[in-house]
Amino acid sequence: GAVVSQHPSRVICKSGTSVKIECRSLDFQATTMFWYRQFPKQSLMLMATSNEGSKATYEQGVEKDKFLINHASLTLSTLTVTSAHPEDSSFYICSAREGGVNQPQHFGDGTRLSIL
Amino acid sequence: QKEVEQNSGPLSVPEGAIASLNCTYSDRVSQSFFWYRQYSGKSPELIMSIYSNGDKEDGRFTAQLNKASQYVSLLIRDSQPSDSATYLCAVEAGSGSRLTFGEGTQLTVNP
Repeated sequence: GAVVSQHPSRVICKSGTSVKIECRSLDFQATTMFWYRQFPKQSLMLMATSNEGSKATYEQGVEKDKFLINHASLTLSTLTVTSAHPEDSSFYICSAREGGVNQPQHFGDGTRLSIL
Repeated sequence: QKEVEQNSGPLSVPEGAIASLNCTYSDRVSQSFFWYRQYSGKSPELIMSIYSNGDKEDGRFTAQLNKASQYVSLLIRDSQPSDSATYLCAVEAGSGSRLTFGEGTQLTVNP
């Protein structure tokens, strides 16, 4: 149980392209989804917290107009990196969490984004 | 002081030995504690969760929590080469709140 699917797994595209990443909870309803970014040999950095039906909460320093998050249903959240540039190249990982007490976050497989 | 600190690695143990991973946290109101395993180039995978003081065992893994000392640890018994990965300690202040991760401890189990 508690499977989170993230797609695509890898994207290589030109500078200026917008890239959309999907995150789905397959066997549970995710009241909250999280988006992280991880640079090589560093820990995960939380970018934003997404609750179904409401606007995402962005961490300090994360541009909300650059990283658009939509959480349209209890099983789907999307992250769109708009007008991506080489410095946006990173490993993007989503996680999802069921509602209730003592529920862990379950992570998707991640998306490796490379901007040329 | 970092919010979540893990013992600096890398940690190297021989196959069959016990690997001990340690983590301290600064926020006394933290309620939930997790250990994730991350293989190189992959996303984190939940290994253990612990919410109350004491030990929690799951197969070869034992998590230990001491809220008074603000300390959580993970023991891996009979370590296998496949356990070689980075282990992330994560702390949640309140139910449903954000996770704060440590920097991770890289573990290598030598055959």
